[in-house]
Amino acid sequence: AQKITQTQPGMFVQEKEAVTLDCTYDTSDPSYGLFWYKQPSSGEMIFLIYQGSYDQQNATEGRYSLNFQKARKSANLVISASQLGDSAMYFCAMREGGGADGLTFGKGTHLIIQP
Amino acid sequence: EPEVTQTPSHQVTQMGQEVILRCVPISNHLYFYWYRQILGQKVEFLVSFYNNEISEKSEIFDDQFSVERPDGSNFTLKIRSTKLEDSAMYFCASSELAGSSYEQYFGPGTRLTVT
Repeated sequence: AQKITQTQPGMFVQEKEAVTLDCTYDTSDPSYGLFWYKQPSSGEMIFLIYQGSYDQQNATEGRYSLNFQKARKSANLVISASQLGDSAMYFCAMREGGGADGLTFGKGTHLIIQP
Repeated sequence: EPEVTQTPSHQVTQMGQEVILRCVPISNHLYFYWYRQILGQKVEFLVSFYNNEISEKSEIFDDQFSVERPDGSNFTLKIRSTKLEDSAMYFCASSELAGSSYEQYFGPGTRLTVT
């Protein structure tokens, strides 16, 4: 079974609109972290936002917020007031427990912002 | 701001040749990782490294792969005998500590092309 599921392979959004990128996850570990990364066409992986499983409040970083619904095991990324520079691949990732395991990534969503 | 660096940015090699990909993690970080991303696919964890030994590895990380920290700053990934299917972007990452709440900082990647 997929540990991270991103159901939107691609999205087109008008500039200045808000956009929600979906992510659901699967884990039985009570301690986990959820991450969102942006990958522009140049290829680098840019960290956007982090949510811990014990965090009571949804994470926010500037125009990025994470809609964390623990019971539903979802961690959707919300980008407010989208900009042309937001066009990129977006990956949701999870890290479980306290060990040195790597991140498990979803397949990504290709977001295109249209003027 | 400190960052993870990787060299070279692009490596072309012939099938069967050995390649070494180099990374310089952030200086006060203790955990190091390698990931790969085959073109158009998701990012996949290869291996994590702490205290001069492998902490975790995925099923992708077979005997053809090895990692080393040859000095106090570099962290390398060696592929002994490259195959066509090793063509991918290889990302190095580092984190201050292990555990689900610690962000992994990614380098810009090395694009490996095996011909």
